[in-house]
Amino acid sequence: NAGVTQTPKFQVLKTGQSMTLQCAQDMNHEYMSWYRQDPGMGLRLIHYSVGAGITDQGEVPNGYNVSRSTTEDFPLRLLSAAPSQTSVYFCASSYRTGSYGYTFGSGTRLTVV
Amino acid sequence: AQKITQTQPGMFVQEKEAVTLDCTYDTSDQSYGLFWYKQPSSGEMIFLIYQGSYDEQNATEGRYSLNFQKARKSANLVISASQLGDSAMYFCAMREGDAGGTSYGKLTFGQGTILTVHP
Repeated sequence: NAGVTQTPKFQVLKTGQSMTLQCAQDMNHEYMSWYRQDPGMGLRLIHYSVGAGITDQGEVPNGYNVSRSTTEDFPLRLLSAAPSQTSVYFCASSYRTGSYGYTFGSGTRLTVV
Repeated sequence: AQKITQTQPGMFVQEKEAVTLDCTYDTSDQSYGLFWYKQPSSGEMIFLIYQGSYDEQNATEGRYSLNFQKARKSANLVISASQLGDSAMYFCAMREGDAGGTSYGKLTFGQGTILTVHP
């Protein structure tokens, strides 16, 4: 199993550009989420989904959009990149029940200049 | 209000000794789960251990154990016999609510503790 696959691993954007961070999982997990990690602030939830067609906002959703058309994929769209969105982004997925933790992707390091 | 508090920005331990990383949490839910993750310098997030709010015994996974004190709302990670490879950032996280509820889909993280193991 590939687990959670994030692409790209690195990206540099100019202010105002848009892009999509891809996330795919092959474990049939119901729950998927996007986090950003900034120094000294831990991981903060951007958006999450409890199943195909269902998404909700997390702690820091502004400037980001998500959709979940399939169980496997949960892309994160940056609408108009800003320097404040420079961060490391993690996608994660989990089963609906049980003691399983979230499985994380390897992360995307995004720099907005 | 902070839901997960890790008060130790950095900790140092001698190789082969035990170390405790502190975590306190805040929730009004009766059903919740507590997790610890390790993030080495390479950046990946590694799941270490889980404790459910209804679990009566402390969770253990190899050299990792979770000291769960429900009344005090603390979930400290104990690493026994530290190894050089344990040097990393450690995050405590909480999942609130019952399975199937939408809040169950979210993890809330603390700010992390950097552990350095000295030879």
